[in-house]
Amino acid sequence: KQEVTQIPAALSVPEGENLVLNCSFTDSAIYNLQWFRQDPGKGLTSLLLIQSSQREQTSGRLNASLDKSSGRSTLYIAASQPGDSATYLCAARRTGANNLFFGTGTRLTVIP
Amino acid sequence: NAGVMQNPRHLVRRRGQEARLRCSPMKGHSHVYWYRQLPEEGLKFMVYLQKENIIDESGMPKERFSAEFPKEGPSILRIQQVVRGDSAAYFCASSPYTEYNSPLHFGNGTRLTVT
Repeated sequence: KQEVTQIPAALSVPEGENLVLNCSFTDSAIYNLQWFRQDPGKGLTSLLLIQSSQREQTSGRLNASLDKSSGRSTLYIAASQPGDSATYLCAARRTGANNLFFGTGTRLTVIP
Repeated sequence: NAGVMQNPRHLVRRRGQEARLRCSPMKGHSHVYWYRQLPEEGLKFMVYLQKENIIDESGMPKERFSAEFPKEGPSILRIQQVVRGDSAAYFCASSPYTEYNSPLHFGNGTRLTVT
């Protein structure tokens, strides 16, 4: 059974700082890994999706990496802004599975 | 181009009542997933449906919960005889096809409170 863990559960940084969010998974037989953003009371917004054959994906100030052998993914946010404040979730899809396994998220606060 | 639409946004039910949650997928999407988010927990998969078919219901509780996605109209998640433990946010997601590398698009969720 796939278990996904995100550490830390909460993180506060001053505006402008670069930061890294961590995600680890127990089953390396993943098909892809997806990072989401969730704002309070809202749904999930897909940020990046990394296929198992890829090492990283970039979108604007966001960069996600994937290391299947160590069971880890990181989300790097450059030059953080107050608007980045949200909960960030990672989710792994196992090969052959229909569903995503979600971590419990990291709640990020960027202080102006 | 509307996203995934869920309604109602908030639903309050007394113990023993029925809850019906609706989800309209994005235009052109024929695959729907339901997830539940309990307080302080991650999202947990419940069911995966295509039009008129339940493909995977491995995450659905065995009793009181059912889901459908008819040929016409939204997908419905139905909870009969609700209990306090059913209080959670229920999210629907859709995708255009079964390719596993297609990202899921989520709605804003329905927050169910059982009193």
